[in-house]
This record gives sequence, C-alpha cells and structure tokens, in this order.
Amino acid sequence: DTEVTQTPKHLVMGMTNKKSLKCEQHMGHRAMYWYKQKAKKPPELMFVYSYEKLSINESVPSRFSPECPNSSLLNLHLHALQPEDSALYLCASSQDGRGSTEAFFGQGTRLTVV
Amino acid sequence: TQLLEQSPQFLSIQEGENLTVYCNSSSVFSSLQWYRQEPGEGPVLLVTVVTGGEVKKLKRLTFQFGDARKDSSLHITAAQPGDTGLYLCLGSGGGADGLTFGKGTHLIIQP
Repeated sequence: DTEVTQTPKHLVMGMTNKKSLKCEQHMGHRAMYWYKQKAKKPPELMFVYSYEKLSINESVPSRFSPECPNSSLLNLHLHALQPEDSALYLCASSQDGRGSTEAFFGQGTRLTVV
Repeated sequence: TQLLEQSPQFLSIQEGENLTVYCNSSSVFSSLQWYRQEPGEGPVLLVTVVTGGEVKKLKRLTFQFGDARKDSSLHITAAQPGDTGLYLCLGSGGGADGLTFGKGTHLIIQP
C-alpha cells in the first residue's frame, strides 16, 4: 500500500471561514509534508513533520496551522485565508525526513478562497 | 535550500519524437525521484535512482543518475500523447531541508 489519502478533494471557503485539510497514510512513514502548488508551477514546501514534530516551517503565514496528531495523520488548519491562497495543497510522506527515501503524494485538495 | 535546476521548462513535440529532460544541482543527493503530474492531480512516482551512474528503464522511459549523484536525466523514446504532463524531479537526503523539487518540465506531445 503506497497510498496517501487527502480529504476533501475540493474545498471552497470564504475568507472568514475556518476549515481543515486532512491527510492519512498507513505505510509506517515517519515524515509527512505539506506542499502548496499554484497552476503551472512546481509544488512549494510549506511544512515538514518528522516523528510527529514540526521540523521545517518555510515561513508560512500563521493563517495556515499544521498539526500532526499521530504518525499516520497530518492536518492543515485554515483560518482567515486570502484569495491568493487558492491552490492545490498536496500532502506527502516518506520513511523519514532525510536520507535515501522516496516520497509518496496524495491526490491533493483543490482549495478555492472566495 | 538546495536548488534543482530542471530543463527545459517547456517542451512541445510531435508524437514519435524522442526527448530528454535534465535535472541538475550543485548538491549531492542520496536519492532522486522522478514524478509525472497531470493537472489537478498529485504527482505520481515514476522511479527512484539511488546509486551514482545508475540507469533504470520504464518501458519507453530511461532514467539516469549522474556518477556524482548531483544530476539526473529522463529520456523518452517515441513520445506519445499519453506522456503529456508535468515532469518533476525531487532530490532527497541533500541536507536538512528534506525534499527539494526541481521547477518542473511541462511536456506536450501533439498527435
């Protein structure tokens, strides 16, 4: 099983809403990632969790709040987003955050902020 | 953050032609992955190369990892419209950043 499952697949939210994106993997991976991808651009790293601890925050605005409740789950809490935050949000996991390890990606959540 | 330079960024060719995409860095990676992504979908892993000089084949796709593990190439033989997509290289193990993406190559194969 090399599946990373993201929900929801699509999300439309207003600028005053609070919503959460969810990501789940059961490969025993101990590193999980959030990426943001705008159209026709490569994914941009937002956060890295390694062994359930936040190890990298790429200067992401505080309106994005990650959470890793356990080794299989990764959430991204959204609050007071801006229209420019509309993008495809990708979750990935790998065996660990360093070393020779493959990353597997979910299908993404297409987020639209109105 | 290590940089992975990918080239070309855009390529539009006719069905049946051959092409090569390059991924270069000044950093040494423990491994490098190639992905293909279609619009609105997540990247799908094509191959992982680990050993310097390694060559892997996946049907009409040939992947090579440079001897110094700083660069990689993807060669497609007799391209088909189904090969259309965004091709991404991703290096891992290059340092504290974990995973570094190249800028991607947008490939269009015209029938």
